[in-house]
Amino acid sequence: GAVVSQHPSWVICKSGTSVKIECRSLDFQATTMFWYRQFPKQSLMLMATSNEGSKATYEQGVEKDKFLINHASLTLSTLTVTSAHPEDSSFYICSAKGGFGPGTRLTVL
Amino acid sequence: GDSVTQMEGPVTLSEEAFLTINCTYTATGYPSLFWYVQYPGEGLQLLLKATKADDKGSNKGFEATYRKETTSFHLEKGSVQVSDSAVYFCALSLNTGFQKLVFGTGTRLLVSP
Repeated sequence: GAVVSQHPSWVICKSGTSVKIECRSLDFQATTMFWYRQFPKQSLMLMATSNEGSKATYEQGVEKDKFLINHASLTLSTLTVTSAHPEDSSFYICSAKGGFGPGTRLTVL
Repeated sequence: GDSVTQMEGPVTLSEEAFLTINCTYTATGYPSLFWYVQYPGEGLQLLLKATKADDKGSNKGFEATYRKETTSFHLEKGSVQVSDSAVYFCALSLNTGFQKLVFGTGTRLLVSP
């Protein structure tokens, strides 16, 4: 799979603020990237498919206005958690061509 | 819908013991099957995969055979090491090229010396 990086690796924010997470495919030009969410001791759940140059495709139950995805280039996708609340606290992981980023731990106070 | 079911953990073994982690799947088409491993503090890594029935994926001493008749993809290793302690995820994809993976809940393996 592709080599994928994420930034930041962890972030703590106050309730009501927005947080942006970056995902980069380092060795592969990815027209499609994926965002997953992992709850403690649970599996990864696909949130959305990020499409370069077009709108993201969201899985059922995922609020597109809450989780904004922008895939502006073949190597970068961003996930913005808008107006974050404590229930958004989770581990967010991106993927490209079978490779996974190291994840971003979001804690909303 | 498509789903993957894994045995619940943790699985606790002594070093050099035989390992089996069961995985079964439900899919509407003909999926590709994967095992991913997540070591403590690290991201997911692809361990092995199989893309069609009767294929055997293997890597680092781990093996899994795609069994269409039993819709299974059980992970095995003949002799585990302490360094194999991790969480193992079974996953499927109905598309080529690692698109839209559906994961099982993961099984934690703990290997003691």
